[in-house]
Amino acid sequence: QVQLQESGPGLVKPSETLSLTCSVSGGSLNNYYWTWIRQPAGKGLEWIGRIDASGNTNCNASLKSRVTMSVDTSKNQFSLRLSSVTAADTAVYYCAREYGSSRNFDNWGQGTLVTVSS
Amino acid sequence: DIQMTQSPSSLSASVGDRVTITCRASQNINTYLNWYQQKPGKAPNLLIYAASSLQSGVPSSFSGSGSGTDFTLTISSLQPEDFATYYCQQSYSTPRTFGQGTKVEVK
Repeated sequence: QVQLQESGPGLVKPSETLSLTCSVSGGSLNNYYWTWIRQPAGKGLEWIGRIDASGNTNCNASLKSRVTMSVDTSKNQFSLRLSSVTAADTAVYYCAREYGSSRNFDNWGQGTLVTVSS
Repeated sequence: DIQMTQSPSSLSASVGDRVTITCRASQNINTYLNWYQQKPGKAPNLLIYAASSLQSGVPSSFSGSGSGTDFTLTISSLQPEDFATYYCQQSYSTPRTFGQGTKVEVK
């Protein structure tokens, strides 16, 4: 069973860059899309974007100008950078695996709370 | 972007009740529709994929149906552990989008 674990600072100052890494264990990054999803407190789920093992990405247009995603297959990790953050970016950030022809999110990290505050 | 609309936003039910949640897509998504359950402080958990396929390990009391734009998640007999929030999600195109969620509460 593949396991995902997010890591990164829990507090980021406004206008700075949020950086998170998702470490994948129990499986390869190959042949899947690896996804970032966020959830503000008490609200719904927002898809941020995805990356494959070759570094091909798709991003939500609402965030595209601020999002950078990367992958490190040697470490079995992928990463998210979100620049120029504001309080509206405060959320629990999840990484997840997009699986199969039905393209579902079958494995998720536990989530990490990132708060944007000075 | 494809908009996903769930109804109701919340419902109150008792153990043993049959519960139905609906999800409507703003355009035809065939059967590229997935359902998740989320409990407080936890990541969502996949229940149903491809509109009607039960994820491994999920109780058979959960079922999904629909195609095109209209979909349904049914819990045939609500159990205490089923009180949670449920989300639909389309995987037809990017950006992937979710419904706003349906919170199932104790009556």
